Amino acid sequence: QSALTQPPSASGSPGQSVTISCTGTSSDVGGYNYVSWYQQHPGKAPKLMIYEVTKRASGVPDRFSGSKSGNTASLTVSGLQAEDEADYYCSSIAGSNNFVVYVFGTGTKVTVL
Amino acid sequence: EVQLLESGGGLVQPGGSLRLSCAASGFTFSTYVMSWVRQAPGKGLEWVATISASGGGTYYADSVKGRFIISRDNSKNTLYLQMNSLRAEDTAIHYCARGDRYSGWNYWGQGTLVTVSS
Repeated sequence: QSALTQPPSASGSPGQSVTISCTGTSSDVGGYNYVSWYQQHPGKAPKLMIYEVTKRASGVPDRFSGSKSGNTASLTVSGLQAEDEADYYCSSIAGSNNFVVYVFGTGTKVTVL
Repeated sequence: EVQLLESGGGLVQPGGSLRLSCAASGFTFSTYVMSWVRQAPGKGLEWVATISASGGGTYYADSVKGRFIISRDNSKNTLYLQMNSLRAEDTAIHYCARGDRYSGWNYWGQGTLVTVSS
C-alpha cells in the first residue's frame, strides 16, 4: 500500500490555472476509475472535490476538474481564487473488487501568489 | 443535515488501548459504507479502515491490521474503532467519513486526536 505520488507544492496567480498530478500504478490509479480529490484548509477536515476521476462533488465550482491518463490522475483548478489556497490530496481504490484497500497521495500545497 | 461527531480520543501509553466513536445523524446510517481516516501531525492523510453498510465486511490498512477493529451499531447510528497495541506512530487526528469508491468520502467529522506517548 504505497502512497500515490504528488508534487509537494504548486502555485499560480489569481485567475491563472494550476494542475496537480497524482501518479500511481496499474494496481490503483491505472486499474480503476475510482480516483477522488480532497481539499483541506489548515485545521479543517478534508472536503471532497472530485470523485470517480471526473465528477464534481455537490457544491464544488466548475473551476475544479479532474482527469486521468494511464497511471496518472490530475486535478486542474482554473481561475484561481484566494480561497483555493489549501492542501490537496488524491485517493484511489487499490486491490481487487472483492478486497477493498484505499491509498492517498502524498499531498500538494497550492499557493495563490 | 449530515453530521458526524467523533469522540474518545486522548493520551494513551504505548501498548495501550482506546475506543473511538463516531455518532452519525441526518441520514440513514445503516445504508452507508463508513470509514476511518487519520492524519499524523503535519503529515498527509492515511486510510485506516472501512466497514460495509451491514457491518458484514471490514477492511484494514496493513499498518493497523491485527491491532484495530472497525465496527458499527446501526441501531445507535454509531461507528467505532477499537485501537489496541497502540504505537507512537498511531498518534494522529482520526476522522470518520461517509462514502465509498463510487461517491468518494463526501462527509467527514471534525476529527478526534489520539496521542500515544509515555
